[in-house]
Amino acid sequence: DTEVTQTPKHLVMGMTNKKSLKCEQHMGHRAMYWYKQKAKKPPELMFVYSYEKLSINESVPSRFSPECPNSSLLNLHLHALQPEDSALYLCASSLPATGELFFGEGSRLTVL
Amino acid sequence: SQQGEEDPQALSIQEGENATMNCSYKTSINNLQWYRQNSGRGLVHLILIRSNEREKHSGRLRVTLDTSKKSSSLLITASRAADTASYFCATVWAGANNLFFGTGTRLTVIP
Repeated sequence: DTEVTQTPKHLVMGMTNKKSLKCEQHMGHRAMYWYKQKAKKPPELMFVYSYEKLSINESVPSRFSPECPNSSLLNLHLHALQPEDSALYLCASSLPATGELFFGEGSRLTVL
Repeated sequence: SQQGEEDPQALSIQEGENATMNCSYKTSINNLQWYRQNSGRGLVHLILIRSNEREKHSGRLRVTLDTSKKSSSLLITASRAADTASYFCATVWAGANNLFFGTGTRLTVIP
């Protein structure tokens, strides 16, 4: 199984809503990542979890809250987002030794 | 900026031609990777080249790395319409395990 599964595929939320994005992998990877991608731009690193511990937070606003409940799951909790947060949110996992990333198909988020 | 720079930003070629994309970066790296992204989809890993390697092949892909110039190139030979996508280089910095992406090249292969 070489898949990274992200749900939901599409999400529309208001600025006062609370929602979560979910990511799951069963490849035994111990590093998991959240990236944000705006249209026609490269993915921007948000968070890195290594062995279920947050190892990198790229100065992401606190309205984004990551969580890694276990080695297979990664969540991104969303609260009080702004319209400029609308983007494609990509989850990825990797074997730490190589850094080669396996990406999910992304969750397309629209904030109204 | 943490990003590498890629050129050209966009490339349009006829099916059967070769496509070359270039990537420049700023820091010492452990490895450099190339990814492909179809519109609105996730990224797919294509090839990884380590800092002590100069050239690598995978099928119709050929990657070169020049660490003295901090640059890499991706050559796709005998292009197909299905190769139409955005291509990103990504670097793993020395001493780190994070991947930072270049600005990308949008490739269009015309049938």
